[in-house]
Amino acid sequence: DTAVSQTPKYLVTQMGNDKSIKCEQNLGHDTMYWYKQDSKKFLKIMFSYNNKELIINETVPNRFSPKSPDKAHLNLHINSLELGDSAVYFCASSPLGAGGLFEQFFGPGTRLTVL
Amino acid sequence: AQSVTQPDIHITVSEGASLELRCNYSYGATPYLFWYVQSPGQGLQLLLKYFSGDTLVQGIKGFEAEFKRSQSSFNLRKPSVHWSDAAEYFCAVGSQGAQKLVFGQGTRLTINP
Repeated sequence: DTAVSQTPKYLVTQMGNDKSIKCEQNLGHDTMYWYKQDSKKFLKIMFSYNNKELIINETVPNRFSPKSPDKAHLNLHINSLELGDSAVYFCASSPLGAGGLFEQFFGPGTRLTVL
Repeated sequence: AQSVTQPDIHITVSEGASLELRCNYSYGATPYLFWYVQSPGQGLQLLLKYFSGDTLVQGIKGFEAEFKRSQSSFNLRKPSVHWSDAAEYFCAVGSQGAQKLVFGQGTRLTINP
């Protein structure tokens, strides 16, 4: 009965590789997000999608490409990985509606380590 | 632009003691305010939220927070902490126009037995 799930939980890879992180929500929400949490725990939004449409792109390098095949899934593909991409990536979802749009439900996170 | 400041990076309290975590925000209109908790190795869980109405809001796990517009604050409180409350706490501000949350830098809470 997991609400927001992410795979993998841990990802260790070499610089220059391409990797993907998958996210799925079974809450019936219309909006999904990707956040990056750095080593100092600072949490910053990267992207948000509403019904498969991109609505927020927070000046993220174009090596990061989100893909939403349907409103229950939002995957994150990263090309040419760099050391600075090492972080914990969180997926989140929220329902539509005043106020409801902002009550976000988070996945468990994916810890990405680039060597 | 919206911003959130949590002045305390790390707080240590004894089990059974009261707790107050500070949060100050910057936003021109009435904000939507949230407190989230992150246990080690876990995702974020919503503790409570404020949209409008009563400025004292109750949340889960015995937490409450008070919105003070004059001070641009939304401090989190708990009358008696438990060892299981040790975690990272994040304050966040949102607005319908911006359609996103902006998080503070977090406060790490340590509980002494």
